Amino acid sequence: EAGVVQSPRYKIIEKKQPVAFWCNPISGHNTLYWYRQNLGQGPELLIRYENEEAVDDSQLPKDRFSAERLKGVDSTLKIQPAELGDSAVYLCASSPFLATGELFFGEGSRLTVL
Amino acid sequence: KNEVEQSPQNLTAQEGEFITINCSYSVGISALHWLQQHPGGGIVSLFMLSSGKKKHGRLIATINIQEKHSSLHITASHPRDSAVYICAVRPGTASKLTFGTGTRLQVTL
Repeated sequence: EAGVVQSPRYKIIEKKQPVAFWCNPISGHNTLYWYRQNLGQGPELLIRYENEEAVDDSQLPKDRFSAERLKGVDSTLKIQPAELGDSAVYLCASSPFLATGELFFGEGSRLTVL
Repeated sequence: KNEVEQSPQNLTAQEGEFITINCSYSVGISALHWLQQHPGGGIVSLFMLSSGKKKHGRLIATINIQEKHSSLHITASHPRDSAVYICAVRPGTASKLTFGTGTRLQVTL
């Protein structure tokens, strides 16, 4: 069974440019998470979806970040415009149960903003 | 003070050594996760615990709910075990995980 797939693995952009990350969760997983992980830190939740509904986006910087999960499967996370402080690894994870089950993470998308 | 504290922050061991990584938390939880992250790689879930002990291969995870403490043990450590090990807890009935900052393990030959 395929795991959580993310793309791109690496992205280098200049500040003020837009960037988008894509995530395909494990088939059948209703819960999808986007995390941001800064160097040497643990992941921080940006947004959690239950199917296509964003049920927790309290930590998402809504002035420049947006996310969507159309049809409750794939998800995209967008940053526009990117700032230097957005350099981090963006992790997608999915869970088979209503936010209480084991998490399955993707390989992450490493963003460098110059 | 973080809700989840891990110790040690960094650990170097020789191949074959028995390794223990500790995690303490300050809130009531419904579950605790141990995760492994290799350099440049994604995160792999090792265990999800709510009580007692779990074993998978050379890895053992224990949790003491009363003491709000969990340990991850690696027996007969190997260089391929070198990674960052992260403890994460699910407070109460919350759906959000709170992560520790990780323990960086280096196993040498």
